[in-house]
Amino acid sequence: QKEVEQNSGPLSVPEGAIASLNCTYSDRGSQSFFWYRQYSGKSPELIMSIYSNGDKEDGRFTAQLNKASQYVSLLIRDSQPSDSATYLCAVNFNTDKLIFGTGTRLQVFP
Amino acid sequence: DTGVSQDPRHKITKRGQNVTFRCDPISEHNRLYWYRQTLGQGPEFLTYFQNEAQLEKSRLLSDRFSAERPKGSFSTLEIQRTEQGDSAMYLCASSLTMGSTDTQYFGPGTRLTVL
Repeated sequence: QKEVEQNSGPLSVPEGAIASLNCTYSDRGSQSFFWYRQYSGKSPELIMSIYSNGDKEDGRFTAQLNKASQYVSLLIRDSQPSDSATYLCAVNFNTDKLIFGTGTRLQVFP
Repeated sequence: DTGVSQDPRHKITKRGQNVTFRCDPISEHNRLYWYRQTLGQGPEFLTYFQNEAQLEKSRLLSDRFSAERPKGSFSTLEIQRTEQGDSAMYLCASSLTMGSTDTQYFGPGTRLTVL
């Protein structure tokens, strides 16, 4: 059974702080990992993809992958109220389709 | 706007009716996926196409559900004899397969309410 686990939150951080979102998955052979942002009532929007161990930075976002420990994380620096959303972790377990976690709700307060 | 479009955006129907949703992928994308999302859950895979071939169907997809992608362009998802449990957001995603990477971009979704 391929599984992706996320803490549902909410994760509350003050404006300007670093938000850290975590995700674990069940299969060490997985190759592709994605973070999507989803605002209430909207569809998922791709933020980052990561395929290799280590860090990948894009603006205020950094994805971190550790295949040996089977976790992937997303850091959001200088968090803004507009970052308040649900963040979905998705894994491609080498089967083409994505398996999603239930998402972590992030609240950034002024 | 990712370039993936879905129609309609909202559908309210009575139990037992048939409904059909349409998805237009990003034009050069060869893969098209359908997912279903209910409140508080992540999207769940339903089925996907590579060009016009339907390559996989989830066990979640009962016999009342059928999907097509004629000519490898747009896709339709039909639900026959709708049930209240079919109420959900139906999401379409498309991707261009390049080697081992396959990044999926989602459309705005169709929200189905079955009364």
